[in-house]
Amino acid sequence: DAGVIQSPRHEVTEMGQEVTLRCKPISGHDYLFWYRQTMMRGLELLIYFNNNVPIDDSGMPEDRFSAKMPNASFSTLKIQPSEPRDSAVYFCASILGTGGGGSPFFGPGTRLTVL
Amino acid sequence: AQSVAQPEDQVNVAEGNPLTVKCTYSVSGNPYLFWYVQYPNRGLQFLLKYITGDNLVKGSYGFEAEFNKSQTSFHLKKPSALVSDSALYFCAVSRGANNLFFGTGTRLTVIP
Repeated sequence: DAGVIQSPRHEVTEMGQEVTLRCKPISGHDYLFWYRQTMMRGLELLIYFNNNVPIDDSGMPEDRFSAKMPNASFSTLKIQPSEPRDSAVYFCASILGTGGGGSPFFGPGTRLTVL
Repeated sequence: AQSVAQPEDQVNVAEGNPLTVKCTYSVSGNPYLFWYVQYPNRGLQFLLKYITGDNLVKGSYGFEAEFNKSQTSFHLKKPSALVSDSALYFCAVSRGANNLFFGTGTRLTVIP
């Protein structure tokens, strides 16, 4: 398996533009997580899905952020409109849930820069 | 709610010396504890975890961690540091669900 795949790896956009980040989890995994990493706040859990259903989106910073998982092999995180403070590295991770205690596999991340 | 504290932003150690990266946690019930490592421009890589059983957990690349319930700690250790161990280390906790909450990270620098 190629691991968790994220695209694009780098994204530079201007304030106000829509940004879409993409993630393909490891085949067979039933949990998918979106994290954001910044120098100030470290790694924050934004949202996670189980069997394509959003379970907890309490970490999504504001309504400008939305995430979808239309099928087991694809998820998107959208920011509309983007702002400079959204600049961060966004990680996707997946795991086959085993009742807890599993260690998610992380993708390489998308580095987002909003000018 | 669960939380993790990594009290040191930066740890420097000489090559060949033992290293310790500290982590304390706060969670109701029995914790699941994890250590991940992040190399520059890479995603996080799993090192080890504690679920239950022996308090001393051995993981990848010669790392180990000791679960101390009374001190609510899960410090990462290695007997002899390598320059290649230089990276960003994250401690994480969960309560049995599959979502992890991470500390702010500790940057380890091993000096040749």
